[in-house]
Amino acid sequence: QQQVKQSPQSLIVQKGGISIINCAYENTAFDYFPWYQQFPGKGPALLIAIRPDVSEKKEGRFTISFNKSAKQFSLHIMDSQPGDSATYFCAASHTGNQFYFGTGTSLTVIP
Amino acid sequence: KAGVTQTPRYLIKTRGQQVTLSCSPISGHRSVSWYQQTPGQGLQFLFEYFSETQRNKGNFPGRFSGRQFSNSRSEMNVSTLELGDSALYLCASSLGALELFFGEGSRLTVL
Repeated sequence: QQQVKQSPQSLIVQKGGISIINCAYENTAFDYFPWYQQFPGKGPALLIAIRPDVSEKKEGRFTISFNKSAKQFSLHIMDSQPGDSATYFCAASHTGNQFYFGTGTSLTVIP
Repeated sequence: KAGVTQTPRYLIKTRGQQVTLSCSPISGHRSVSWYQQTPGQGLQFLFEYFSETQRNKGNFPGRFSGRQFSNSRSEMNVSTLELGDSALYLCASSLGALELFFGEGSRLTVL
């Protein structure tokens, strides 16, 4: 059973556009929601994370929007660049020792 | 500071064999987690070790096992390999501050 559901599976965006990836969860005990970015041949790396006590967190061109009542959170990449082309994973954790990851979104930014 | 090192990076085995994968965490990190990454399934949690003790275990059969040594290095073992075990196995270390630092993975192909 997938604890965190992620969509879309793949996404193609023009350079300068906005990329949006969505995730949903069921377990209300989750209290930490990170996003990881993975380039081909590399391991995932933490991009940005949020706690459920805030509705939005922004770091540069990357923003997490969090809707606690809907149990959904999303990643927005503003002014998308070709260098952002990668696979993005959302995740959720309760104790911080075990993370549940989404199935990933392959983002391609076209120049 | 050296990152997480996983060996071997690539390996090919046949059904029924067993395999041992190794992970050296970032110096000072005492928590080591293992994940299986497959297309369409994302990252699936295998287990997490802290100070040589398994703290959490994912929903994988008993053929998957692991251990951690006193220097925090970790190994995972898969016995009686099946075709479905073909995957990228990722190791991540952590200081316990929620951020996972992943290695580049060991890609296992089972023929």
